[in-house]
Amino acid sequence: EAGVAQSPRYKIIEKRQSVAFWCNPISGHATLYWYQQILGQGPKLLIQFQNNGVVDDSQLPKDRFSAERLKGVDSTLKIQPAKLEDSAVYLCASSLGTANTGELFFGEGSRLTVL
Amino acid sequence: ELKVEQNPLFLSMQEGKNYTIYCNYSTTSDRLYWYRQDPGKSLESLFVLLSNGAVKQEGRLMASLDTKARLSTLHITAAVHDLSATYFCAGRSGNTGKLIFGQGTTLQVKP
Repeated sequence: EAGVAQSPRYKIIEKRQSVAFWCNPISGHATLYWYQQILGQGPKLLIQFQNNGVVDDSQLPKDRFSAERLKGVDSTLKIQPAKLEDSAVYLCASSLGTANTGELFFGEGSRLTVL
Repeated sequence: ELKVEQNPLFLSMQEGKNYTIYCNYSTTSDRLYWYRQDPGKSLESLFVLLSNGAVKQEGRLMASLDTKARLSTLHITAAVHDLSATYFCAGRSGNTGKLIFGQGTTLQVKP
């Protein structure tokens, strides 16, 4: 079974530039999450989708971050304009849904460096 | 909102020794998760603990959950170098199913 796919793996940009990350979840997984992991910290949820609807985006800095999940499958996370403090690994995860064990399966992550 | 705290945050131990990582959480969480992360890698699921008193074991790792004490433990038996990694616990928050992670415990096993 294919895992969660993410791209790009690495991205270096200057502050005030924009960047987009892509995620393809495990086939059949209805729930998709974007987490931000700053070096030395645990992952922090940015946004959660159930199919193509947003369930929780309370921690998403909406003035600069946006995310969408068209057709309930792939998702993109965009940052515009980027700030230095956005340097982090952006992890995409998917799960079958809350009715099951709720276990999240993570992708390899997209490492962003903002200069 | 649910808060998850781990201790210790860093653990250096000798091969062959036993130790325990503690995970406390602030409000009700009906299930608890343990993940492993190697440097530069993603998170790998280790255990899902679904009910009070749940105990799961895989190799030299054993996880348990006490929902009344709001405490989960990850016990390492006879540590080996391959167990060196960062371990995260996470509780499930509310009805949305989102996971709230602790700060992580970095384990370094020395020969």
